[in-house]
Amino acid sequence: AQSVTQLDSHVSVSEGTPVLLRCNYSSSYSPSLFWYVQHPNKGLQLLLKYTSAATLVKGINGFEAEFKKSETSFHLTKPSAHMSDAAEYFCVVSSSNTGKLIFGQGTTLQVKP
Amino acid sequence: EAGVAQSPRYKIIEKRQSVAFWCNPISGHATLYWYQQILGQGPKLLIQFQNNGVVDDSQLPKDRFSAERLKGVDSTLKIQPAKLEDSAVYLCASSTNRGGYNEQFFGPGTRLTVL
Repeated sequence: AQSVTQLDSHVSVSEGTPVLLRCNYSSSYSPSLFWYVQHPNKGLQLLLKYTSAATLVKGINGFEAEFKKSETSFHLTKPSAHMSDAAEYFCVVSSSNTGKLIFGQGTTLQVKP
Repeated sequence: EAGVAQSPRYKIIEKRQSVAFWCNPISGHATLYWYQQILGQGPKLLIQFQNNGVVDDSQLPKDRFSAERLKGVDSTLKIQPAKLEDSAVYLCASSTNRGGYNEQFFGPGTRLTVL
């Protein structure tokens, strides 16, 4: 069975400082992994995806994530937080058979001025 | 390109009442998904359609939930009768079916409150 665990339910950073949102996954085979962002009252938006190509994945809005098989991790980072980054972030693993997405519990990112 | 449309955006009902949600996917997207997102949790897949056929409904509470996708385009999700624990945001998503990974595009969701 596949699953993801987001290690922090809430992360607070100051504007201009680095962001780190942590995610560990469990999968019996090589997974496809994603990060989605959800702003209040808006739909989920794909930030970036890993599908067995380069292990360092760059996404939109300056975010990137690194797939580390040895650590079963897929942490999301950004060098410098912006106020507009405040949102809910979901780490997601996909079933390669059906495309079914399995979401983590989410991490709320707060950005302080 | 128009996104995934959902209606209504908000719905408040009493327990034991019925409710229906509607989704119009992105034009040309063969695959349609319904997710349930309870407050404080990640979305959970309820049902997946490929055209008008069901691919996965293993997590759909079939005693009270039903869904259909007539003609392989629009879809409706119904709850009858509703329970308090059905209070959640119901998200619809769609994707193409070109093999391999296909990005899912999400609608804004319908927020259901059951009193």
